[in-house]
Amino acid sequence: AQSVTQLGSHVSVSEGALVLLRCNYSSSVPPYLFWYVQYPNQGLQLLLKYTTGATLVKGINGFEAEFKKSETSFHLTKPSAHMSDAAEYFCAVSKWSNTGKLIFGQGTTLQVKP
Amino acid sequence: EPEVTQTPSHQVTQMGQEVILRCVPISNHLYFYWYRQILGQKVEFLVSFYNNEISEKSEIFDDQFSVERPDGSNFTLKIRSTKLEDSAMYFCASSQPGQGLSDEQFFGPGTRLTVL
Repeated sequence: AQSVTQLGSHVSVSEGALVLLRCNYSSSVPPYLFWYVQYPNQGLQLLLKYTTGATLVKGINGFEAEFKKSETSFHLTKPSAHMSDAAEYFCAVSKWSNTGKLIFGQGTTLQVKP
Repeated sequence: EPEVTQTPSHQVTQMGQEVILRCVPISNHLYFYWYRQILGQKVEFLVSFYNNEISEKSEIFDDQFSVERPDGSNFTLKIRSTKLEDSAMYFCASSQPGQGLSDEQFFGPGTRLTVL
């Protein structure tokens, strides 16, 4: 079975500070990993994904994540937070199948203080 | 830019009533999904749909739920007899075939279902 754990339901950073949102996964097969962002009253938008190849993945809006198999982690980072980054962030995992269902973590709300 | 749309944005219903949540996936997508998020909980997979049949469903997706693609554009989720615990945000998603599960799923804005 697959699962995702996001450490910290709320993270608060100052504008310009480093953003680090943690995600650990459990998977019996090589995982496919995703980060989604949800702004208020909007759907989930894909930030970035890891499928195969390079373990450091760059996404939209300056975010990146590194797949670390030994740590079963896929933490999301951004060097300098912007006010517009305030949103809810979801880590998700999927396995090789013909359905591609996503299994989500609990979500982390990012607050950016001026 | 193409997007997934969902209607209504908010649905209020009485317990025991039937509801139909509607989604219009991106036009050239062939895989369709429903997820739900109960307030304060994880986003949970309900069902996936491909080639006019269910590909996979979760334990949540019991006989009270059904999905349908009644025409070439809509994808619906029906709950036959709503329960209080069905209150949640329901998200529709769609994706393209070809590269399997690494295809991005595009999500709609959600329908908030409130069962009284």
